[in-house]
Amino acid sequence: GAGVSQTPSNKVTEKGKYVELRCDPISGHTALYWYRQSLGQGPEFLIYFQGTGAADDSGLPNDRFFAVRPEGSVSTLKIQRTERGDSAVYLCASSLRASGRESSYNEQFFGPGTRLTVL
Amino acid sequence: AQSVAQPEDQVNVAEGNPLTVKCTYSVSGNPYLFWYVQYPNRGLQFLLKYITGDNLVKGSYGFEAEFNKSQTSFHLKKPSALVSDSALYFCAVRGLNTGGFKTIFGAGTRLFVKA
Repeated sequence: GAGVSQTPSNKVTEKGKYVELRCDPISGHTALYWYRQSLGQGPEFLIYFQGTGAADDSGLPNDRFFAVRPEGSVSTLKIQRTERGDSAVYLCASSLRASGRESSYNEQFFGPGTRLTVL
Repeated sequence: AQSVAQPEDQVNVAEGNPLTVKCTYSVSGNPYLFWYVQYPNRGLQFLLKYITGDNLVKGSYGFEAEFNKSQTSFHLKKPSALVSDSALYFCAVRGLNTGGFKTIFGAGTRLFVKA
């Protein structure tokens, strides 16, 4: 079956511009996560969605970052006034369960990522 | 605060030999532990997880990991390495008392298996 897809695969932008990164989770997965991975580092948690709502956005670095999931499926990560330090690979993941304790241990399925370069 | 440490940036092993990739963690309460693998130009893939029960868990591609509560470790192992196992491996932890959903990843260990 289809896995998690992310578009675009690569995005080059200039400092100060606005960007949107899209994630299509696996059909039926109610939990969706965004991570940021810098070179030589592991994925860094940004935000978690349970259905349409952001259940945990504690990883968003500042108010330039925002994410939505209006219909509980596709999610968009939005970055305003991009800075060179935002350059990284942005990963999206989804998993089956979203509520309750059991969701803590359902493995996540990752997309291939979007490589963002801010010049 | 929860954290994960992968003390080795790189592990080199000859094909056919056993391999170990180390991981230690710090979390409040019971940990949920995971291993993921990242091949070049591909997304992270789940290998195995520990939730509760047997300390030795088996996963994909012949990998296994041993949970050691006293040493707060969750080392990844394979009895006989393959060249195709060469990849970047990440250990991850989720704890019940951390807000529930945040997964913390280690910095990764690159495994090189030589033919």
